[in-house]
Formats: sequence, structure tokens, C-alpha cells
Amino acid sequence: DTAVSQTPKYLVTQMGNDKSIKCEQNLGHDTMYWYKQDSKKFLKIMFSYNNKELIINETVPNRFSPKSPDKAHLNLHINSLELGDSAVYFCASSHQTGKVFSTEAFFGQGTRLTVV
Amino acid sequence: GENVEQHPSTLSVQEGDSAVIKCTYSDSASNYFPWYKQELGKRPQLIIDIRSNVGEKKDQRIAVTLNKTAKHFSLHITETQPEDSAVYFCAASEDNYGQNFVFGPGTRLSVLP
Repeated sequence: DTAVSQTPKYLVTQMGNDKSIKCEQNLGHDTMYWYKQDSKKFLKIMFSYNNKELIINETVPNRFSPKSPDKAHLNLHINSLELGDSAVYFCASSHQTGKVFSTEAFFGQGTRLTVV
Repeated sequence: GENVEQHPSTLSVQEGDSAVIKCTYSDSASNYFPWYKQELGKRPQLIIDIRSNVGEKKDQRIAVTLNKTAKHFSLHITETQPEDSAVYFCAASEDNYGQNFVFGPGTRLSVLP
């Protein structure tokens, strides 16, 4: 069983379009993340949700809007796509509530977004 | 906020040699330091982690050391094998509400046969 799953795996779209990437985790985790990995392989956090509430919102254009309908899902919607949005987007999850120490983050397989 | 630096950015070693990757962090509140390995086209996967109450941890050919005073931690891979070739990321986080994993920029390790 896949622990953190993202769909789609590949997404090719034209500039100006609106697209969504879905993420689901079946680990019972309470914290979910979106990371962007650019062509230089830098992993940058975009958003962090804990129990469906937005905790971290790094400097990300407001064209990017995360939606968390429940603790197991964190979807990423992107409006008016630009060429610079091309990257691999990773969803991840971890469990924080009641933990003394942080725990590892489990990553989805990534979504390669190409804007043409 | 937390800032994590990682060196070197690329590292080539001969098969059987050791490889060392070093990271520094800025936030003294960080207390959890995982290392992830990312093979080409795949997701990052945890290979080892260390918490701030421990100075060293070892798992077979992989070890991690932590110096809290100096705020740096290192990954050591001994007896490297071609399958160790990948990009390695260090990360730092603290156990606050809605923690933030901050990743280093990555090290591309190539193990030459």
C-alpha cells in the first residue's frame, strides 16, 4: 500500500491554465507538506498543514493555494500557470501531535509539472 | 527562520572508499536531523536520522554525527558501493506545532567503480 500518493505523476500544461495536484496519505499522520524541487534539485517548503490548518506558508505566489479537506489530504491548486512554475512538486507527511521529538517525513513520488 | 547549508555540492569517490557530507544549521531550537537519499527520478527517502539528545548514530555502513554546540552534523558512508550514488539531503527541524523541515541544497554523490 502506498503511504503517500500524489496524482498525477506527470502534468504538461500551457501557460495561463489552472491545474491541481492531489495528495493523500494513509499513515494517519497529522501534518502534511508541499515541497517544490527545482531544476537544481533544491527542496523548498511551500506549505505545511497540521490537522487541516495552515501552519507554514513560505514566500509563494498567491496563485498557489493549498486545500486540505481532511487530515489525510492536501491538494495543491495553481492558477495562471507560468513557465517558472515548472518543477517537481513533492507532497509529504509526518506525525507531530503528542510527539516529544519530530518524526521523519514520508514523501510522495512527486509530480513533474511542465509549463509550456 | 532555519537555514541549512550543505557541503560539498558534488562528491566523487572510488568504490570502497568513504564519503562524508557535512551540514550546518542556524536555529539552535532545531532538534531533529534526518538525512534523505534521492535516486534519479525518485522520491527522497529517509536513510538515517539523529535527535539532539544523541551525538552519534550508526546503521551498518551509514553513520551520522551531531555537534550541537557548533550546530553541525555529518553523514558518513563507509565502503561505498555504486548503488550509493544519489543526491543526499540533510534537513533540520524542531518539534514545534506544525514543524518545518528545512532541507540543505543537496550533495550529488557519485561512486566510481
